[in-house]
Amino acid sequence: NAGVTQTPKFQVLKTGQSMTLQCAQDMNHEYMSWYRQDPGMGLRLIHYSVGAGITDQGEVPNGYNVSRSTTEDFPLRLLSAAPSQTSVYFCASSRDRYNEQFFGPGTRLTVL
Amino acid sequence: EDKVVQSPLSLVVHEGDTVTLNCSYEVTNFRSLLWYKQEKKAPTFLFMLTSSGIEKKSGRLSSILDKKELFSILNITATQTGDSAVYLCAVETGRRALTFGSGTRLQVQP
Repeated sequence: NAGVTQTPKFQVLKTGQSMTLQCAQDMNHEYMSWYRQDPGMGLRLIHYSVGAGITDQGEVPNGYNVSRSTTEDFPLRLLSAAPSQTSVYFCASSRDRYNEQFFGPGTRLTVL
Repeated sequence: EDKVVQSPLSLVVHEGDTVTLNCSYEVTNFRSLLWYKQEKKAPTFLFMLTSSGIEKKSGRLSSILDKKELFSILNITATQTGDSAVYLCAVETGRRALTFGSGTRLQVQP
């Protein structure tokens, strides 16, 4: 199993550009989530999904969109990048609510 | 609003010391509390706690939850330089996603 994979590892964008961060898992996990991590602030939930076709907002959803068309993939879209979205983004998945979340290696995003 | 607070924010100890990390929480619809270790990259899972008073143990690490007083502690005995990391506490709520604390940065000096 590859576990949770994320691409790209690093990305630099200009303000106003759009892009999609990819996340995939091969463990057949129902639950998937996106977090951002900023210095001194821990991880904050952006969006999450409890299964294919079902998504919901987390703590900081503004400026981000998600979709879950398959169990394996949970892409995060930045519609119009802003410098405030400079952060490290982690995708996570878990089998169900009784099990721990596994994290991907992260994407470091810089918006100029 | 769900809240998870960790203390101390950072800690410097010497190899062989014992450390206790604290996590308190105020959330609606508590399901579980998790501890993660984060070195340079992604957080890695340590413990999941759902019941009060039952200690979870893995080697030199142990953790316990108090659901009445709304806190958990993570103990590390006989610390080693490899224990240097940020330790994250997170609480799973009814939304089935995690609310994280800001972490405790532990540095173990030789």
